[in-house]
Amino acid sequence: EVQLVQSGAEVKKPGESLKISCKGSGYSFTNYWIGWVRQMPGKGLEWMGIIYPGDSDTRYSPSFQGQVTISADKSISTAYLQWSSLKASDTAMYFCARRAISTPWYDNWGQGTLVTVSS
Amino acid sequence: EIVMTQSPATLSAAPGEGATLSCRASQSVSSNLAWYQQKPGQAPRLLIYGASTRATGIPARFSGSGSGTEFTLTISSLQSEDFAVYYCQQYNSWPPYTFGQGTKLEIK
Repeated sequence: EVQLVQSGAEVKKPGESLKISCKGSGYSFTNYWIGWVRQMPGKGLEWMGIIYPGDSDTRYSPSFQGQVTISADKSISTAYLQWSSLKASDTAMYFCARRAISTPWYDNWGQGTLVTVSS
Repeated sequence: EIVMTQSPATLSAAPGEGATLSCRASQSVSSNLAWYQQKPGQAPRLLIYGASTRATGIPARFSGSGSGTEFTLTISSLQSEDFAVYYCQQYNSWPPYTFGQGTKLEIK
């Protein structure tokens, strides 16, 4: 069974750093892209960026370029989303999702990680 | 960046009725469009890809149509579990593969 399991909820202060994770299982991790999607409270889905763990090819939405860093460790089948200095506006649910090389839609999703940034 | 616009923002319908949700792209995305369903507290779920192909396990009451800039998701004979938020997403041009803002399908 394909699974994407995300790390647990986080509560942070503005200015702090954070790295959340998404662990894939049940499939060949290096043969699929892993993307990150933001959902702010009560709002819609925003495509943030994506990584191909096989060669670490990474693409960012212009809206998120320079604001976050996406990485992956294929040895442990895990992708990451990180911030160097959080802002209150980063408060949101973050989902990871899988897409195949030749099929650009997201066919499996993680359960989401809630990030709360508050002083 | 391609902008996806969904309408209406909220749709009220009764169980057993049909529902039609629309999605418009700011430029042609060919048939490179997916639909997702999201229920409260859950991750989105893929319903449709290629504008009209149902994903694995999706009931036949869900159908998608359209190409270019105009797309439709139709749900025939609404079931209680269908009341949720629906998002379209284009994957014709990236980054980013943009989502629409969503249509909330609520019980009348």
